[in-house]
Amino acid sequence: ETGVTQTPRHLVMGMTNKKSLKCEQHLGHNAMYWYKQSAKKPLELMFVYNFKEQTENNSVPSRFSPECPNSSHLFLHLHTLQPEDSALYLCASSRGRGRGEETQYFGPGTRLLVL
Amino acid sequence: AQTVTQSQPEMSVQEAETVTLSCTYDTSESDYYLFWYKQPPSRQMILVIRQEAYKQQNATENRFSVNFQKAAKSFSLKISDSQLGDAAMYFCAYAIGNEKLTFGTGTRLTIIP
Repeated sequence: ETGVTQTPRHLVMGMTNKKSLKCEQHLGHNAMYWYKQSAKKPLELMFVYNFKEQTENNSVPSRFSPECPNSSHLFLHLHTLQPEDSALYLCASSRGRGRGEETQYFGPGTRLLVL
Repeated sequence: AQTVTQSQPEMSVQEAETVTLSCTYDTSESDYYLFWYKQPPSRQMILVIRQEAYKQQNATENRFSVNFQKAAKSFSLKISDSQLGDAAMYFCAYAIGNEKLTFGTGTRLTIIP
C-alpha cells in the first residue's frame, strides 16, 4: 500500500490560510488524479493529469489550484477555503493516459478540516 | 449523465458466510467498464474487481465474484467465505473509455465474528 503516498494525512486550516497537499506515486504511472470524498456522497473527480498536462478540470473552484511538476508528483494548493471544503482528499494514479477505463491506484488521503 | 446506484448503505454478514452487494447503473452505451473498489478503515482504496462490458463471462478474483447482468444494468459483488479483513466501504464505479470514472455512494460492510 505504499505505491501512492500523500502528505499530510491530516490538516486543519483557517479560511484565510494557504496550504498544500502533496501526492507522490512510485508506480511509474503516467496519469494522476485528485478526488474529493465527502460523507454519503460519491467520490468527486477534481483534476486529471496525463504526463504533467491537465486533461480534466471538473468545474473546481479556483481556490483549489493543482500542480503537476512531473508524472510522479501532484500537488493541490489550497487558498481561502470554505468550511464546506472539509473532506477527505484522495490522490490516485494510473498507468495509461487518465482514461476512465484504467485501474486507478489510490493514496491514503488527506483529511482536511476547514475552520 | 451516467449514474451509479448502490441501494444498500450498510450490510453485515457473519464471518465465513456469503454476502452480495448490489449496484445498478444507468447508461445508453454498449461498451464500458465496471469496477468494485474497497476502502478499508485505513482509507486506502484498492481495486477488488474489474469487468469489461463486452465480456459475457463474469469476472472473479479469488473469493470475490460479480454477477454482471448487462440488460438489467446490474453489477453485484459476491464475497464468499467472508473474513474480518473484508470489512470496508465498497464502491461500485462505471466508466466509458475516455470519460471519468463515476462512483456510487458506497456500501459499508461489517463482518460479524
